[in-house]
Amino acid sequence: EPEVTQTPSHQVTQMGQEVILRCVPISNHLYFYWYRQILGQKVEFLVSFYNNEISEKSEIFDDQFSVERPDGSNFTLKIRSTKLEDSAMYFCASSDRVPGQASYEQYFGPGTRLTVT
Amino acid sequence: AQKVTQAQTEISVVEKEDVTLDCVYETRDTTYYLFWYKQPPSGELVFLIRRNSFDEQNEISGRYSWNFQKSTSSFNFTITASQVVDSAVYFCALHHPGNTPLVFGKGTRLSVIA
Repeated sequence: EPEVTQTPSHQVTQMGQEVILRCVPISNHLYFYWYRQILGQKVEFLVSFYNNEISEKSEIFDDQFSVERPDGSNFTLKIRSTKLEDSAMYFCASSDRVPGQASYEQYFGPGTRLTVT
Repeated sequence: AQKVTQAQTEISVVEKEDVTLDCVYETRDTTYYLFWYKQPPSGELVFLIRRNSFDEQNEISGRYSWNFQKSTSSFNFTITASQVVDSAVYFCALHHPGNTPLVFGKGTRLSVIA
């Protein structure tokens, strides 16, 4: 069964450094998302991406964040200058329309745990 | 406004007990979808169920069952005869049609004690 993959599974970085989190969405999906989960808290939406541009972003997704689809398979989240409070689990998701329904089924990757020291 | 409330932060039960996890949602839309996800200690999100707003039939899958009541905007999840492997954080989520983000509740941490 196709799945969303994310690398690395765990990333440790120093405050102020740039990090790039990588995701490979399901191959025929057209919609891509990043979510964040600070330890012990709920999963929060960061950004959605379609047709090579951002469709929607939350207030969390400030100028420190950017997303890119550099080739036909990868979808990346870049944090330009990490802060301690960026420590979280980052989930990538991709979706496609459920046949016969208005729902877009989102499939989640296993997550990347980012630790900023 | 779209909101999902899981009032139970933590629940602890003894193995073989039944347990119900509550989920209450708010939305102005008439078409929406509700989800439950399980997050085991390893951290991934495991999809459990999706239910659309037009289908109020309760669903049973093995030891899991879901009770959807539009009148009270609730979508509760019951685990029958709980097992230690059910220990996890469970999230309820709301989704509107289209390319829109999921709105998650804060989750309920379930601990099943042997």
